[in-house]
Amino acid sequence: DTAVSQTPKYLVTQMGNDKSIKCEQNLGHDTMYWYKQDSKKFLKIMFSYNNKELIINETVPNRFSPKSPDKAHLNLHINSLELGDSAVYFCASSQTGTVDEQFFGPGTRLTVL
Amino acid sequence: AQRVTQPEKLLSVFKGAPVELKCNYSYSGSPELFWYVQYSRQRLQLLLRHISRESIKGFTADLNKGETSFHLKKPFAQEEDSAMYYCALLTGGGNKLTFGTGTQLKVEL
Repeated sequence: DTAVSQTPKYLVTQMGNDKSIKCEQNLGHDTMYWYKQDSKKFLKIMFSYNNKELIINETVPNRFSPKSPDKAHLNLHINSLELGDSAVYFCASSQTGTVDEQFFGPGTRLTVL
Repeated sequence: AQRVTQPEKLLSVFKGAPVELKCNYSYSGSPELFWYVQYSRQRLQLLLRHISRESIKGFTADLNKGETSFHLKKPFAQEEDSAMYYCALLTGGGNKLTFGTGTQLKVEL
């Protein structure tokens, strides 16, 4: 009964490929996020969705496209992968309207060769 | 724009020694601050939040608006405290967490 889950855990792929990472939360939260943690462990928000609507879109290349089919899922699709996309991607969720914690998934380690 | 600064990338202390992980923030609004921790091979998780004024695992953090700081402290470090610690500022109407660059705490025997 994991709260926030991500698949896959590891993803190794060639430059130029298209890949997706899936995220699901069973906490009943209405807001979900994607974060990128680079090789220096710097953690930065990429996107945030509230009730399937995009509310935060940081300066992210448009090769990255999040999709939220329902409020329990937020997937991340990446087109034309580049070497610099190699990182750990974390999904998280929280409940809007409360100064509450964000619950993080285990992360997906993406390696672009 | 909001900003969170953690000046130490790595902090190494001996077991039983006091620990202080520094965090400074820059934000024009009323800050909501958090400390998150990432133990080795585990997911990021909340350690404590300033509004709760709580002590978790012996750690405390006090918001000092005059110095715009939210330093994390523990009087006696334990080996299991070794982890990556992130200070974070909540903005964007409660939706956006801006993280500091993180401090790796290493507690040596």
